[in-house]
Amino acid sequence: GAGVSQSPSNKVTEKGKDVELRCDPISGHTALYWYRQSLGQGLEFLIYFQGNSAPDKSGLPSDRFSAERTGGSVSTLTIQRTQQEDSAVYLCASSLGTLEGYEQYFGPGTRLTVT
Amino acid sequence: GDSVTQMEGPVTLSEEAFLTINCTYTATGYPSLFWYVQYPGEGLQLLLKATKADDKGSNKGFEATYRKETTSFHLEKGSVQVSDSAVYFCALSESGYSTLTFGKGTMLLVSP
Repeated sequence: GAGVSQSPSNKVTEKGKDVELRCDPISGHTALYWYRQSLGQGLEFLIYFQGNSAPDKSGLPSDRFSAERTGGSVSTLTIQRTQQEDSAVYLCASSLGTLEGYEQYFGPGTRLTVT
Repeated sequence: GDSVTQMEGPVTLSEEAFLTINCTYTATGYPSLFWYVQYPGEGLQLLLKATKADDKGSNKGFEATYRKETTSFHLEKGSVQVSDSAVYFCALSESGYSTLTFGKGTMLLVSP
């Protein structure tokens, strides 16, 4: 079946512009996660959604970052007023739930470059 | 807070050599432990996992044993192949909470 998909695969933007990154999780997966992979910082958790519960935003690095998940499926990560330090690969993952033992399936990522 | 430390790479080996990638962790509870692999140009994939002390996770010839006494989860393979060349990430999630905390990754390069 189809895996997690993300779009765009690459995004180049100018400093100060807003960007939106999209994630389509695996159908039926109730949990959705965003991570960021950057040089020197490795993989960092940003935010996760579980069903209709309030999202856990504890990993968002600043208030310029926000995310929403519509209809319990597609999610959009928005970065406002982008900065060069936002350059990274943004990864989305989904799983059947949030209990341990549920495997997270990762998408291919969106490579964001802020110039 | 939770953290994962893994050996820096790259690790360079010849085909059929023995592989060990060290991973140690710090956690407040009793976490589940994972190894993820990222092949060139591909997304992260779960390689193996262990959910309690002394458990051994295994897959594709790779193994790792959950050692609570040394807070370690070292990845091993007896005979690596060129196709094993990838970046390997050690990760943990706290019991009942599946957000992953990752190590910084170790690149493995296997030459013929």
